[in-house]
Amino acid sequence: AQSVTQLGSHVSVSEGALVLLRCNYSSSVPPYLFWYVQYPNQGLQLLLKYTSAATLVKGINGFEAEFKKSETSFHLTKPSAHMSDAAEYFCAVSDLFGAQKLVFGQGTRLTINP
Amino acid sequence: DAGITQSPRHKVTETGTPVTLRCHQTENHRYMYWYRQDPGHGLRLIHYSYGVKDTDKGEVSDGYSVSRSKTEDFLLTLESATSSQTSVYFCAISGTSAMTDTQYFGPGTRLTVL
Repeated sequence: AQSVTQLGSHVSVSEGALVLLRCNYSSSVPPYLFWYVQYPNQGLQLLLKYTSAATLVKGINGFEAEFKKSETSFHLTKPSAHMSDAAEYFCAVSDLFGAQKLVFGQGTRLTINP
Repeated sequence: DAGITQSPRHKVTETGTPVTLRCHQTENHRYMYWYRQDPGHGLRLIHYSYGVKDTDKGEVSDGYSVSRSKTEDFLLTLESATSSQTSVYFCAISGTSAMTDTQYFGPGTRLTVL
């Protein structure tokens, strides 16, 4: 069975600093990988996804993530944090075919300090 | 934003009562999903549908049933609500291709079972 582990339930960075949110997956074959963002009292919005094309994936709002098969990781980064990035971030995996039955990590709440 | 609405948006009910949550889409997408979100667990799949009258169980399906009589509507029913079903429920939709289609989430329904 697939699983996802997000390291750190809370991450705090200063405005302008690097954002790094960690995600490791467990799957018998490389799955599709996703990062979603959730702002307070809202649904989830897709930031980016990896579907076996380029290993470095660029998403919205300046975020990117790199798929590393050898490390079974898909960490999310942003070079310079903005106050508007404060939210909860979820890493997820899905099968390659059929329904996108997403398996989510526990989530990481990102706080931006002025 | 994808055309997904959920109703009701908030509901308080008592243990043992039946509850039905509705998800409505205007995108004509094939797949529809119900997830629940709980602190420390991220989102977990309850049930999903791959077409009219075609549904299947997810990770946490016990105590829930679903129905899909029209492409645009996916109902989640708690036959006899329990306090452990207090949660935020999200509906999601996706198209046919797991590789290219994005899964879009609705705004959520906050359910409290007293």
